[in-house]
Amino acid sequence: DIQLTQSPSFLSASLGDRVTITCRANQGINNYLAWFQQKPGQAPKLLIYFASTLQSGVPSRFSGSGSGTEFTLTIGSLQPEDFATYFCQQVDSYPRTFGQGTKVEAK
Amino acid sequence: QGQLVESGGGVVQPGGSLRLSCEASGFSFSNYAMHWVRQAPGKGLEWVAVTTYDGGKKYVDSVKGRFTISRDNFVNTVFLQMNSLRDEDTAMYYCARAPGETAEDLWGKGTLVTVSA
Repeated sequence: DIQLTQSPSFLSASLGDRVTITCRANQGINNYLAWFQQKPGQAPKLLIYFASTLQSGVPSRFSGSGSGTEFTLTIGSLQPEDFATYFCQQVDSYPRTFGQGTKVEAK
Repeated sequence: QGQLVESGGGVVQPGGSLRLSCEASGFSFSNYAMHWVRQAPGKGLEWVAVTTYDGGKKYVDSVKGRFTISRDNFVNTVFLQMNSLRDEDTAMYYCARAPGETAEDLWGKGTLVTVSA
């Protein structure tokens, strides 16, 4: 199975900060990587797919980059509604796997 | 845009069975792959199973031989039959749709399964 490792696991940031989360795969997954946001008590929400394609309706402050084994989710200017946990997911092969998550908290 | 509504969760003893359902509305159900993803309390996300638009099925190793995914395109519903349940199957179970082999773009609110004696 493909393993995904996110860093950091926890992140403290202030409103307006630029936030970067990294996801590394233990083997190449081309650009078959997605990013999800999850708030407490809610289902995950798709933010980005194919590593860098913004899902419809997602604010443009979210962006994704990378290919192969290293990927990045960037929040350009952190907003109050962005405090949440973020997960990466590979869809290159089954079983699909997720990173362990990155919790973004208020500093 | 679409909606997914899960049902069938509950409390079950180890070794027991449950059948989860996920009813879809507002989109062309038969054109989508349908997935189950679970999340144990306070933990991360774990992909469980998929049924593709053409009936293909895949599972994570930990549920192979115990869980069966199926779909009924006439009633726009995907099912997860869970047998021989274990403590470690305790989780919120989400169903989600995916356009082909891409990421899951629509999720239900989930149904909670608790395996406990």
